[in-house]
Amino acid sequence: GAGVSQSPSNKVTEKGKDVELRCDPISGHTALYWYRQSLGQGLEFLIYFQGNSAPDKSGLPSDRFSAERTGGSVSTLTIQRTQQEDSAVYLCASSSYQVAGNTIYFGEGSWLTVV
Amino acid sequence: AQKITQTQPGMFVQEKEAVTLDCTYDTSDQSYGLFWYKQPSSGEMIFLIYQGSYDEQNATEGRYSLNFQKARKSANLVISASQLGDSAMYFCAMRGYQGAQKLVFGQGTRLTINP
Repeated sequence: GAGVSQSPSNKVTEKGKDVELRCDPISGHTALYWYRQSLGQGLEFLIYFQGNSAPDKSGLPSDRFSAERTGGSVSTLTIQRTQQEDSAVYLCASSSYQVAGNTIYFGEGSWLTVV
Repeated sequence: AQKITQTQPGMFVQEKEAVTLDCTYDTSDQSYGLFWYKQPSSGEMIFLIYQGSYDEQNATEGRYSLNFQKARKSANLVISASQLGDSAMYFCAMRGYQGAQKLVFGQGTRLTINP
């Protein structure tokens, strides 16, 4: 696609439920990232996938968070047993070495509200 | 590890004036990239400009320019002839090209353009 596509754009869920957020990166981009942004805050790195290499999971806040990337393209971020502090915008991004600076391009985000 | 510091939480500027948003960084990497992103109230992260650590010329993209002072570890964004539509959060970010490839963000500066 032309840009990074994320779904759902908005999600309201009850505390304790599991949620899945989907990201479709820019076609041909081999790297994919997930970031989290709480209201009025900066961006917090969660996880990074590069090709077939083992992902960098160093930013995942707890074992309730996991992510996978199938076929080197689409990625799913899963949050189990959601808590109210998980409420945030979850931003997906992708990049390619073929672009100057390996610039990272973001999707429009998935706004998650846990009630 | 990389660190980005943006010391201006908020700025107010009159329309048509030029504005400089400050950014300093810290890294032990020899090769790195510096980026600026704009985040309007809609929440999307819009890439504005990139500067490579080995680039001798300051990067420019339309009304945006990056004032890169390597010795001072400074990468200020300059917006010329500001417009009402420039009102947004602005984030400075960097990534090293050795080791971890994640993008590290500053806390952002909220820019408000007054008519």
